Amino acid sequence: GDSVTQMEGPVTLSEEAFLTINCTYTATGYPSLFWYVQYPGEGLQLLLKATKADDKGSNKGFEATYRKETTSFHLEKGSVQVSDSAVYFCALRGANFGNEKLTFGTGTRLTIIP
Amino acid sequence: NAGVTQTPKFQVLKTGQSMTLQCAQDMNHEYMSWYRQDPGMGLRLIHYSVGAGITDQGEVPNGYNVSRSTTEDFPLRLLSAAPSQTSVYFCASSRGTNEKLFFGSGTQLSVL
Repeated sequence: GDSVTQMEGPVTLSEEAFLTINCTYTATGYPSLFWYVQYPGEGLQLLLKATKADDKGSNKGFEATYRKETTSFHLEKGSVQVSDSAVYFCALRGANFGNEKLTFGTGTRLTIIP
Repeated sequence: NAGVTQTPKFQVLKTGQSMTLQCAQDMNHEYMSWYRQDPGMGLRLIHYSVGAGITDQGEVPNGYNVSRSTTEDFPLRLLSAAPSQTSVYFCASSRGTNEKLFFGSGTQLSVL
């Protein structure tokens, strides 16, 4: 079945540092890929997405590129802020009809210190 | 805009008790779903619905019931609570199965 593997957390960085959170997936065909973010005390929010190979999703300074050859969708940001502290989830949606449910990774907790 | 509203925010139950977690959305979304979030396991799908009167099981449905009598509401019932059901529960909705999901703020449930 479909699966998503994220790098283990927690991750602690200083403000303005470069961020990478790794995500790899296993799925048949060409799934859609997502990053969701969960701020403290809130539900998940869609951060960005990519629906086909080589697509780059971007939002709020975050980027992720759909790499079919390495089955990866790593999240990056060039200069993080304290307000980016949250839990980040990588997710995929299956490509096959009847398999449109989201499969989530385990989440990576990010803490940014001033 | 209310979006997806979950109640209660916190709940403590004793083993064997029953309760219903409420979920309502005001966006006229056809697709609604329930997830549980456990440490080290991410989010797992419990049940989902693609429209009023239609429900289906997700990855971890045992011990939970759902119904969808209206487009707006999708309650999750715990029939006989067990400590293994201690978790944070999230309701989510979207216009369709391939559309962006909107999440509620969650219900933290403890079963003693």
